Amino acid sequence: ETGVTQSPTHLIKTRGQQVTLRCSSQSGHNTVSWYQQALGQGPQFIFQYYREEENGRGNFPPRFSGLQFPNYSSELNVNALELDDSALYLCASSYPPTGELFFGEGSRLTVL
Amino acid sequence: QKEVEQNSGPLSVPEGAIASLNCTYSDRGSQSFFWYRQYSGKSPELIMFIYSNGDKEDGRFTAQLNKASQYVSLLIRDSQPSDSATYLCAVRRYSTLTFGKGTMLLVSP
Repeated sequence: ETGVTQSPTHLIKTRGQQVTLRCSSQSGHNTVSWYQQALGQGPQFIFQYYREEENGRGNFPPRFSGLQFPNYSSELNVNALELDDSALYLCASSYPPTGELFFGEGSRLTVL
Repeated sequence: QKEVEQNSGPLSVPEGAIASLNCTYSDRGSQSFFWYRQYSGKSPELIMFIYSNGDKEDGRFTAQLNKASQYVSLLIRDSQPSDSATYLCAVRRYSTLTFGKGTMLLVSP
């Protein structure tokens, strides 16, 4: 186990709804990265947070947003859900931002 | 042009054989290179990483990097059925880690 925990593990939403996913980073890690993994694909970088600031963003629309808290835990928020948002959402922590990523077990989102 | 390319497989090898997994990348500014293993329905787990040209060994695993050819490989010696999984190659430039689609490895008893 990596020490990175995510919640919830599974959830079902309908198109147009909003979702919040949560992540607690491994002890001693100050950086959290979020990835989206669609079925049969590799993880796609959404964004990274370092010391509560966004430290890089992939090619995702603004309806994907995030936060990092002083204890380095993080949230991923997705507004106006679309069917294509159905995927496994992975949180990974690292120290420093360019260090190895250690992934949590993921949150599997299904949008109907 | 895909940034990180891997053969999707499946790559089938018998138990005890050497499995060779390959990856090419397009960004010459890439700084470090990672191999992750992902079992079906699970999250990726780090196997090893490499920064410099040449070979790096860790137990049954050897990572090889050739920056001039923009090529990374992973060798698994004495393959076991428990090694059957999808192997993801990832390339880092600054804060961004870019993954390939992965190669499925099947090790038959």
